[in-house]
Amino acid sequence: DIQMTQSPSSLSASVGDGVTITCRASQNVKTYLNWYQQKPGKAPNLLIYGASILQTGVPPRFSGSGSGTDFSLNISGLQTEDFATYYCHQSYSTPPIIFGQGTRLEIK
Amino acid sequence: QVQLVQSGAEVKKPGASVKVSCKASGDTFTSSYMHWVRQAPGQGLEWVGMINPTGGHTTYAQQLQGRVTMTRDTSTSTVYMELNNLRSEDTAVYYCAREIRQQNYYVMDVWGQGTTVTVSS
Repeated sequence: DIQMTQSPSSLSASVGDGVTITCRASQNVKTYLNWYQQKPGKAPNLLIYGASILQTGVPPRFSGSGSGTDFSLNISGLQTEDFATYYCHQSYSTPPIIFGQGTRLEIK
Repeated sequence: QVQLVQSGAEVKKPGASVKVSCKASGDTFTSSYMHWVRQAPGQGLEWVGMINPTGGHTTYAQQLQGRVTMTRDTSTSTVYMELNNLRSEDTAVYYCAREIRQQNYYVMDVWGQGTTVTVSS
């Protein structure tokens, strides 16, 4: 099974800041990497797929990059609604689907 | 617009079983795999398994093999997740999610609202 490792596990930032969250796969997954945002008490919401393709309706301040084993989710100009937990998972070799452990983005 | 509507919260005793439903609207039902993902309190996302609503083929997370069963009713566009021999560590919010193919990538693009399952004596 392909394992996913996210870092950091938590992150504090201010409105207007830019942040980067990383996700590493234990094997080459090419660009088959998805990112989800989850707010407290809500279901996850697809942000980015194919490592860098924004899901319809997602603001362009979100961007993704990477291929192979190393990936990044970047958020520029943080808005209050962006403070949430972010998860990655690969879709290259499934099942099983294994999520990263999550990165909690908090307001500083 | 596609929607997934799940059944309500459940409270069960250890050793009991629970069956959670997920009803899909629209014509998505037979054309998409459906996944179940759970989230224990304060924890991350854990994949439970998946079902092909067309043929009923299932794949389960290894750690739940033998305790979980996924089924579907095509007449009502509903998928079910049953978990047996419940333990306290099964306490979680259970989500169903639709998988589709977008630009050659598989994504879970629509999620149910979640069903809280509490296992307590």
